[in-house]
Amino acid sequence: EGQLVESGGGLVQPGGSLTLSCSASEFRFSAYAMHWVRQAPGKGLESVSAICGDGDCTNYADSVKGRFTISRDDSKNTLYLQMSSLRADDTAVYYCVKVGVKLPAWNWYFDLWGRGTLVTVSS
Amino acid sequence: EIVMTQSPATLSVSPGERATLSCRASQSVSSNLAWFQQKPGQAPRLLIYDTYTRATGIPARFSGSGSGTEFTLTISSLQSEDFAVYYCQQYYNWPQAFGQGTKVEIQ
Repeated sequence: EGQLVESGGGLVQPGGSLTLSCSASEFRFSAYAMHWVRQAPGKGLESVSAICGDGDCTNYADSVKGRFTISRDDSKNTLYLQMSSLRADDTAVYYCVKVGVKLPAWNWYFDLWGRGTLVTVSS
Repeated sequence: EIVMTQSPATLSVSPGERATLSCRASQSVSSNLAWFQQKPGQAPRLLIYDTYTRATGIPARFSGSGSGTEFTLTISSLQSEDFAVYYCQQYYNWPQAFGQGTKVEIQ
């Protein structure tokens, strides 16, 4: 079924930068689109960004567009999220998520989630 | 941008009873609708996709229905492990919006 393990979260000051990583195993990482989803403390789920299986297309929520960059390294089975100009409302658990269909497109259901990594933006 | 609205916000149910959760989309999402269960401190878990298809390992007491803009998740006989927050999500277009969640609590 697979496994996703996020890392890179932590405390960062407003305006700062952070890069999250997601290590994938036990499935053919390069064949699937991947997403980042976040959840602010005590709140609901928000789609943040997506990348196609071939890496040729990306999507971003309006709230992070121009500040976050999603990328993948299929040789390392790793997904990334580079975050800059961080704000207090970016504070959340960030989940790495795999789609359930082995096609490059991002618009499929989510069948595998990591445990998440907490990003706290505070001075 | 499609907005997903779930109702009710909280559902109080006794073990063994039936629970019906609703999800409405602001425009048609065809059958591109999924349901997730989330327990405290855990990642969401996929229950249902393509409106009514149960994910691997999901018990038959969970069922989904609907199309277009109106969707329902039914739990036929609530077990103790089913008390959690449930989210619907559309994957018809970007952003793949989630509903705000329905908390199913013990009555």
